[in-house]
Amino acid sequence: DTAVSQTPKYLVTQMGNDKSIKCEQNLGHDTMYWYKQDSKKFLKIMFSYNNKELIINETVPNRFSPKSPDKAHLNLHINSLELGDSAVYFCASSPRTRSWNTEAFFGQGTRLTVV
Amino acid sequence: SQQGEEDPQALSIQEGENATMNCSYKTSINNLQWYRQNSGRGLVHLILIRSNEREKHSGRLRVTLDTSKKSSSLLITASRAADTASYFCATAPFTGNQFYFGTGTSLTVIP
Repeated sequence: DTAVSQTPKYLVTQMGNDKSIKCEQNLGHDTMYWYKQDSKKFLKIMFSYNNKELIINETVPNRFSPKSPDKAHLNLHINSLELGDSAVYFCASSPRTRSWNTEAFFGQGTRLTVV
Repeated sequence: SQQGEEDPQALSIQEGENATMNCSYKTSINNLQWYRQNSGRGLVHLILIRSNEREKHSGRLRVTLDTSKKSSSLLITASRAADTASYFCATAPFTGNQFYFGTGTSLTVIP
Protein backbone atom coordinates (compact mmCIF):
# COMPACT_ATOMS: atom_id res chain seq x y z
CA ASP A 1 0.00 0.00 0.00
CA THR A 2 1.22 3.48 -0.85
CA ALA A 3 1.97 5.43 2.32
CA VAL A 4 1.38 8.93 0.93
CA SER A 5 -0.62 9.11 -2.26
CA GLN A 6 -1.41 12.11 -4.41
CA THR A 7 -3.83 12.49 -7.26
CA PRO A 8 -3.60 13.32 -10.04
CA LYS A 9 -0.01 12.61 -11.02
CA TYR A 10 -0.23 14.99 -13.96
CA LEU A 11 -2.49 18.01 -14.33
CA VAL A 12 -2.62 20.27 -17.38
CA THR A 13 -4.99 23.20 -17.21
CA GLN A 14 -5.58 26.65 -18.61
CA MET A 15 -4.83 29.94 -16.93
CA GLY A 16 -7.62 31.20 -14.75
CA ASN A 17 -9.00 27.78 -13.88
CA ASP A 18 -9.47 26.45 -10.37
CA LYS A 19 -8.03 23.04 -9.56
CA SER A 20 -7.46 20.70 -6.63
CA ILE A 21 -4.82 18.15 -5.79
CA LYS A 22 -5.69 15.45 -3.32
CA CYS A 23 -3.40 13.87 -0.77
CA GLU A 24 -3.97 10.97 1.57
CA GLN A 25 -1.65 9.27 4.03
CA ASN A 26 -2.32 5.92 5.66
CA LEU A 27 0.52 6.14 8.18
CA GLY A 28 -1.48 7.62 11.02
CA HIS A 29 0.75 10.70 11.03
CA ASP A 30 -0.19 13.90 12.80
CA THR A 31 1.34 16.43 10.44
CA MET A 32 0.97 16.91 6.72
CA TYR A 33 2.72 19.30 4.35
CA TRP A 34 2.61 20.72 0.89
CA TYR A 35 5.83 21.56 -0.94
CA LYS A 36 6.38 23.18 -4.31
CA GLN A 37 9.36 22.15 -6.44
CA ASP A 38 10.23 24.46 -9.29
CA SER A 39 12.08 23.70 -12.51
CA LYS A 40 15.43 24.11 -10.75
CA LYS A 41 14.39 21.45 -8.20
CA PHE A 42 14.15 24.08 -5.48
CA LEU A 43 11.80 22.75 -2.77
CA LYS A 44 9.75 25.31 -0.93
CA ILE A 45 7.42 24.69 1.98
CA MET A 46 3.92 25.97 1.34
CA PHE A 47 1.88 24.73 4.27
CA SER A 48 2.08 22.48 7.27
CA TYR A 49 -1.01 21.25 9.07
CA ASN A 50 -1.06 19.57 12.45
CA ASN A 51 -4.25 18.82 14.35
CA LYS A 52 -6.06 21.95 13.22
CA GLU A 53 -2.96 24.11 13.41
CA LEU A 54 -2.21 25.52 10.00
CA ILE A 55 1.10 27.20 9.35
CA ILE A 56 1.27 29.09 6.13
CA ASN A 57 4.39 30.24 4.39
CA GLU A 58 3.78 33.95 4.10
CA THR A 59 5.11 34.02 0.55
CA VAL A 60 2.38 31.68 -0.71
CA PRO A 61 -0.37 33.57 -2.58
CA ASN A 62 -3.81 33.36 -1.03
CA ARG A 63 -5.01 31.69 -4.23
CA PHE A 64 -3.60 28.55 -2.64
CA SER A 65 -5.58 27.03 0.19
CA PRO A 66 -5.20 23.72 2.01
CA LYS A 67 -8.28 21.78 3.07
CA SER A 68 -8.13 18.99 5.62
CA PRO A 69 -11.37 17.00 5.96
CA ASP A 70 -9.68 14.68 8.43
CA LYS A 71 -6.28 13.79 9.82
CA ALA A 72 -5.41 11.52 6.89
CA HIS A 73 -6.12 14.03 4.13
CA LEU A 74 -4.73 17.40 3.14
CA ASN A 75 -5.93 18.65 -0.21
CA LEU A 76 -4.57 21.65 -2.05
CA HIS A 77 -6.94 24.03 -3.81
CA ILE A 78 -5.64 26.56 -6.26
CA ASN A 79 -7.80 29.36 -7.61
CA SER A 80 -7.22 31.47 -10.73
CA LEU A 81 -4.22 29.50 -11.89
CA GLU A 82 -1.28 31.42 -13.34
CA LEU A 83 1.57 30.35 -15.61
CA GLY A 84 4.01 30.69 -12.71
CA ASP A 85 2.12 28.05 -10.76
CA SER A 86 3.52 25.39 -13.07
CA ALA A 87 5.67 23.13 -10.90
CA VAL A 88 5.68 19.79 -9.16
CA TYR A 89 3.71 19.78 -5.93
CA PHE A 90 4.57 17.29 -3.23
CA CYS A 91 2.51 16.22 -0.30
CA ALA A 92 4.30 14.83 2.75
CA SER A 93 3.53 13.68 6.26
CA SER A 94 5.46 13.14 9.46
CA PRO A 95 4.57 11.33 12.67
CA ARG A 96 4.99 14.16 15.14
CA THR A 97 6.41 17.58 15.50
CA ARG A 98 9.09 19.09 17.70
CA SER A 99 10.61 15.67 18.03
CA TRP A 100 14.14 14.40 17.75
CA ASN A 101 13.14 11.57 15.46
CA THR A 102 10.89 13.07 12.85
CA GLU A 103 11.26 12.27 9.20
CA ALA A 104 8.94 13.14 6.37
CA PHE A 105 7.33 10.69 3.97
CA PHE A 106 6.64 12.07 0.53
CA GLY A 107 4.09 11.37 -2.13
CA GLN A 108 5.13 10.88 -5.74
CA GLY A 109 4.29 14.42 -6.71
CA THR A 110 1.78 16.12 -8.99
CA ARG A 111 3.19 17.83 -12.06
CA LEU A 112 1.02 20.86 -12.72
CA THR A 113 1.30 22.58 -16.07
CA VAL A 114 -0.61 25.79 -16.65
CA VAL A 115 -1.03 26.78 -20.28
CA SER B 1 15.28 32.60 4.52
CA GLN B 2 15.80 29.32 6.34
CA GLN B 3 16.60 27.50 3.15
CA GLY B 4 19.92 25.69 3.12
CA GLU B 5 22.46 25.53 0.38
CA GLU B 6 24.26 22.53 -0.99
CA ASP B 7 27.39 22.13 -2.96
CA PRO B 8 28.31 21.05 -5.42
CA GLN B 9 25.16 21.62 -7.46
CA ALA B 10 26.18 18.73 -9.69
CA LEU B 11 28.64 15.89 -9.24
CA SER B 12 29.69 13.23 -11.71
CA ILE B 13 31.83 10.27 -10.64
CA GLN B 14 32.79 6.79 -11.76
CA GLU B 15 31.15 3.77 -10.21
CA GLY B 16 33.10 2.62 -7.17
CA GLU B 17 34.29 6.10 -6.24
CA ASN B 18 33.10 7.99 -3.18
CA ALA B 19 30.74 10.95 -3.46
CA THR B 20 30.70 13.81 -0.97
CA MET B 21 28.01 16.46 -0.78
CA ASN B 22 27.90 19.41 1.57
CA CYS B 23 25.04 21.34 3.10
CA SER B 24 25.10 24.68 4.88
CA TYR B 25 22.21 26.19 6.80
CA LYS B 26 21.47 29.41 8.64
CA THR B 27 19.45 28.83 11.81
CA SER B 28 19.66 26.63 14.90
CA ILE B 29 18.31 23.17 14.25
CA ASN B 30 16.72 20.26 16.05
CA ASN B 31 17.98 17.78 13.49
CA LEU B 32 19.22 17.57 9.93
CA GLN B 33 18.11 15.00 7.40
CA TRP B 34 19.21 13.83 4.00
CA TYR B 35 16.82 12.77 1.26
CA ARG B 36 17.24 11.26 -2.19
CA GLN B 37 15.06 12.04 -5.18
CA ASN B 38 15.18 9.89 -8.27
CA SER B 39 14.14 11.54 -11.50
CA GLY B 40 10.39 12.09 -11.62
CA ARG B 41 9.81 10.63 -8.19
CA GLY B 42 9.17 11.79 -4.66
CA LEU B 43 11.80 12.22 -1.97
CA VAL B 44 12.97 9.29 0.08
CA HIS B 45 14.41 9.73 3.56
CA LEU B 46 17.97 8.44 3.94
CA ILE B 47 19.29 9.41 7.34
CA LEU B 48 18.65 11.77 10.25
CA ILE B 49 21.29 13.27 12.51
CA ARG B 50 20.38 15.09 15.70
CA SER B 51 21.91 18.40 16.67
CA ASN B 52 23.81 16.75 19.55
CA GLU B 53 25.38 14.16 17.24
CA ARG B 54 28.49 14.67 15.16
CA GLU B 55 28.55 11.63 12.91
CA LYS B 56 26.19 8.89 11.84
CA HIS B 57 26.44 5.86 9.59
CA SER B 58 23.88 3.88 7.65
CA GLY B 59 25.18 1.25 5.25
CA ARG B 60 27.30 3.07 2.66
CA LEU B 61 26.19 6.45 3.95
CA ARG B 62 28.13 8.59 6.38
CA VAL B 63 26.78 11.90 7.61
CA THR B 64 28.63 14.49 9.66
CA LEU B 65 27.24 17.54 11.37
CA ASP B 66 29.12 20.60 12.60
CA THR B 67 26.66 22.88 14.37
CA SER B 68 29.32 25.50 15.06
CA LYS B 69 29.78 25.92 11.31
CA LYS B 70 26.14 25.16 10.54
CA SER B 71 27.16 22.57 7.99
CA SER B 72 26.72 18.90 7.21
CA SER B 73 28.20 16.48 4.73
CA LEU B 74 26.91 13.29 3.15
CA LEU B 75 29.43 10.72 2.00
CA ILE B 76 28.36 7.83 -0.20
CA THR B 77 31.07 5.20 -0.38
CA ALA B 78 31.64 2.73 -3.21
CA SER B 79 29.04 4.43 -5.38
CA ARG B 80 26.81 2.50 -7.75
CA ALA B 81 24.96 3.53 -10.88
CA ALA B 82 21.72 3.18 -8.89
CA ASP B 83 22.89 6.01 -6.62
CA THR B 84 22.31 8.44 -9.48
CA ALA B 85 19.76 10.90 -8.11
CA SER B 86 19.40 14.32 -6.52
CA TYR B 87 20.28 14.57 -2.86
CA PHE B 88 18.77 17.15 -0.53
CA CYS B 89 19.50 18.13 3.03
CA ALA B 90 16.59 19.27 5.18
CA THR B 91 16.68 21.02 8.52
CA ALA B 92 14.11 20.84 11.27
CA PRO B 93 14.17 23.91 13.53
CA PHE B 94 13.45 23.83 17.26
CA THR B 95 10.34 25.94 16.78
CA GLY B 96 7.64 25.29 14.25
CA ASN B 97 6.94 22.02 12.52
CA GLN B 98 8.39 22.42 9.07
CA PHE B 99 11.32 21.04 7.17
CA TYR B 100 13.50 23.39 5.15
CA PHE B 101 15.28 21.88 2.18
CA GLY B 102 18.60 22.76 0.64
CA THR B 103 19.06 23.44 -3.04
CA GLY B 104 20.11 19.88 -3.81
CA THR B 105 23.07 18.12 -5.39
CA SER B 106 22.56 16.20 -8.60
CA LEU B 107 24.75 13.09 -8.52
CA THR B 108 25.55 11.06 -11.61
CA VAL B 109 27.38 7.76 -11.18
CA ILE B 110 28.86 6.53 -14.43
CA PRO B 111 28.95 2.74 -14.80
